[in-house]
Amino acid sequence: KAGVTQTPRYLIKTRGQQVTLSCSPISGHRSVSWYQQTPGQGLQFLFEYFSETQRNKGNFPGRFSGRQFSNSRSEMNVSTLELGDSALYLCASSPSQSTTDTQYFGPGTRLTVL
Amino acid sequence: AQKVTQAQTEISVVEKEDVTLDCVYETRDTTYYLFWYKQPPSGELVFLIRRNSFDEQNEISGRYSWNFQKSTSSFNFTITASQVVDSAVYFCALSGYSSNTGKLIFGQGTTLQVKP
Repeated sequence: KAGVTQTPRYLIKTRGQQVTLSCSPISGHRSVSWYQQTPGQGLQFLFEYFSETQRNKGNFPGRFSGRQFSNSRSEMNVSTLELGDSALYLCASSPSQSTTDTQYFGPGTRLTVL
Repeated sequence: AQKVTQAQTEISVVEKEDVTLDCVYETRDTTYYLFWYKQPPSGELVFLIRRNSFDEQNEISGRYSWNFQKSTSSFNFTITASQVVDSAVYFCALSGYSSNTGKLIFGQGTTLQVKP
């Protein structure tokens, strides 16, 4: 089975722009979670989607949003980029919404905001 | 509250040494799962192991072994005869759900450097 894929792998944007990141889960997985990783804050949960519905959202401003499509692929969007949004954005998929499922991570998208 | 603590921020060893990465967790759940992930410089989080709260048997996979002790709420990870390729950040995680952590509660990670 193919693993979790994320596109693009690297992205450079300037302050004020917006960006969309994409995640394709493992085939058959219906839950997708997004995390932001920075050196100072570590891994922080952004949001989780299951069956096209946002199940929960972490403590991030409204500039961060996401969605999930009927094929379980997910996108996240960050509007009005700030320098502090520079981070590695990781997507993880799991079969269901159960907390006991193992989450499998993609390679991440490294976003640099100038 | 649910929490995972990895007290060791960085560990540096010389190749072939054994090294143990500590993980202590807090949870009120009676059923839970613990995980270890490895993050090499490429960035991807690689799943290593999943252990449920009812199975306290130690597990060994090649040079890797895990010691789960419910009495001390610890789930430690040992690498035997470390190799340079083991250099990475290792995360311990706990299953659970809260409004701002999602399905996995991660520790802060331990950076392991294995020198030749």
